Amino acid sequence: AQKITQTQPGMFVQEKEAVTLDCTYDTSDQSYGLFWYKQPSSGEMIFLIYQGSYDEQNATEGRYSLNFQKARKSANLVISASQLGDSAMYFCAMRESHGGSQGNLIFGKGTKLSVKP
Amino acid sequence: GAVVSQHPSRVICKSGTSVKIECRSLDFQATTMFWYRQFPKKSLMLMATSNEGSKATYEQGVEKDKFLINHASLTLSTLTVTSAHPEDSSFYICSARDIRGGPRDEQFFGPGTRLTVL
Repeated sequence: AQKITQTQPGMFVQEKEAVTLDCTYDTSDQSYGLFWYKQPSSGEMIFLIYQGSYDEQNATEGRYSLNFQKARKSANLVISASQLGDSAMYFCAMRESHGGSQGNLIFGKGTKLSVKP
Repeated sequence: GAVVSQHPSRVICKSGTSVKIECRSLDFQATTMFWYRQFPKKSLMLMATSNEGSKATYEQGVEKDKFLINHASLTLSTLTVTSAHPEDSSFYICSARDIRGGPRDEQFFGPGTRLTVL
């Protein structure tokens, strides 16, 4: 079973508008971390935002915010005021904390975001 | 801070040769380094986890004799693709986990190495 599910293979958004990228996860751990990364065509993985399972407030980093709904096991990324440079692949990832884990990340399949001028 | 380098960034080799990829944490010490593989338009798949001074832990389905990992110091891990074949062509990305941890205990990613085997 997939642990990280990103149901949107591709998304389009108009420049300056907001867009939400979906991510649901599956874990039995009480302590875990959720990450979003941006991967432009160059291939580098750019960290965007982090949400810890015990964090009560939704994380925000500039134009990025994370809509964390723990009971639903969802961690959607919201990008406000989209810019052309936001066009890239976006990956949701989870780090589990159970005994057998060395802290590796489990990635979703990604969403390709295209920002239209 | 928290910079990870990979070398080389691109490599083209002939089938049957071996290729070594280096992953270095430049301004921090890494307890653990991770090696991922990414096929075009696909997600990152963890290949192995390496800890300094000990044997790497390989994910199911990853051939340890083909993908040799050495984590010789707290700042350097190497991945050697032995007897490379065209199906090994891929984008290889490493990440490093800071020995100091921190609230996010995050991994810092290298820029990746694109391997093409002819």
